[in-house]
Amino acid sequence: EPEVTQTPSHQVTQMGQEVILRCVPISNHLYFYWYRQILGQKVEFLVSFYNNEISEKSEIFDDQFSVERPDGSNFTLKIRSTKLEDSAMYFCASSEFGLGDKSYEQYFGPGTRLTVT
Amino acid sequence: AQKVTQAQTEISVVEKEDVTLDCVYETRDTTYYLFWYKQPPSGELVFLIRRNSFDEQNEISGRYSWNFQKSTSSFNFTITASQVVDSAVYFCALSEVLRGAQKLVFGQGTRLTINP
Repeated sequence: EPEVTQTPSHQVTQMGQEVILRCVPISNHLYFYWYRQILGQKVEFLVSFYNNEISEKSEIFDDQFSVERPDGSNFTLKIRSTKLEDSAMYFCASSEFGLGDKSYEQYFGPGTRLTVT
Repeated sequence: AQKVTQAQTEISVVEKEDVTLDCVYETRDTTYYLFWYKQPPSGELVFLIRRNSFDEQNEISGRYSWNFQKSTSSFNFTITASQVVDSAVYFCALSEVLRGAQKLVFGQGTRLTINP
């Protein structure tokens, strides 16, 4: 069964450093998403991406964040200058395009745990 | 704004007991989707069910059942004859469709502990 993959599974970085979290969505999906979960808290929407542009972003997704689809398979989240409060689990998700119930199911990757020290 | 409330922060029961996890949502949309996800200690999000707003039929899948009531804006989840492997954090979520893309709004989660 196709699945969303994410690398790395765990990333440790120092405050102020740039990090890139990578995701490979399911191949025929056209909508891509990033969510964040601070330890012990709820999962929060960061951004959605379609047709090579951001379609929606949350208040959390400020200027230090950016997303990119550099090729036909990868979808990346970049944090330019990490802060301690960026420590969280970051989930990538993807969904199909089109009408019908299937298009409203998001498939989540296993997550990347980011630790900022 | 959309909102999902899971009032039960933690539930602890003994194995084989039935347990119900509550979920109440708020939305102005007439078309929306509701979801339940399971997050085991390993951290991944496991999809359990999707329900659209036009389908109020209750659903049963093995020991799991879901009760969707539009009149009370609730989408509760019951585990029958609970097992230790059911121990996890369970999230209820509501989707908002924005220009074709979705945004999932999650509740705070309910940590369920099943004791042997």
